[in-house]
Amino acid sequence: DAGVIQSPRHEVTEMGQEVTLRCKPISGHDYLFWYRQTMMRGLELLIYFNNNVPIDDSGMPEDRFSAKMPNASFSTLKIQPSEPRDSAVYFCASSGTVLFGTQYFGPGTRLLVL
Amino acid sequence: GQQVMQIPQYQHVQEGEDFTTYCNSSTTLSNIQWYKQRPGGHPVFLIQLVKSGEVKKQKRLTFQFGEAKKNSSLHITATQTTDVGTYFCAGASGSARQLTFGSGTQLTVLP
Repeated sequence: DAGVIQSPRHEVTEMGQEVTLRCKPISGHDYLFWYRQTMMRGLELLIYFNNNVPIDDSGMPEDRFSAKMPNASFSTLKIQPSEPRDSAVYFCASSGTVLFGTQYFGPGTRLLVL
Repeated sequence: GQQVMQIPQYQHVQEGEDFTTYCNSSTTLSNIQWYKQRPGGHPVFLIQLVKSGEVKKQKRLTFQFGEAKKNSSLHITATQTTDVGTYFCAGASGSARQLTFGSGTQLTVLP
């Protein structure tokens, strides 16, 4: 298996632009998680899905952030409009059939908002 | 909300020395997981502890889960340069359906 796939790996954009991050989880995994990692705040859970349904989005920082999972093999995290403070590494992770079981992280998307 | 404190934040050791990082949760956990993140990389799962007082070993790594299921530790014996990275604990609270990562301990091993 190729593992969790994320794209793009790097994104540089200007403040106010829309940013879309993409994730393909491991096939057969029921759970998908989006994390944000910064030096100041560490690793934060933003939202997670179970069988494509958003379960907990309490970690989403504000309305500028939205996430979707239209099918079992694809999810997006969108920031609109982006701000410099959104600069971070965004990780997608998936896990099998148990909530908060072993999580497999993707390589991350390094986002820089100028 | 649930908080997971991890200490120390940084640790520098000479190759061959031992290393320990500690996690403490503000609430009782259903399980605790440990991850390693190499510089520039992504977190990689190491182990999960579920039972009170559980101890698990992976070669030079020893993981413990406290009796009260509120604290945990990771001990590395005789560190090697390949151990360099940041070690995170992540506490899962079944009742609150939350997974909270500690702030991580960044380990540097000097040759």
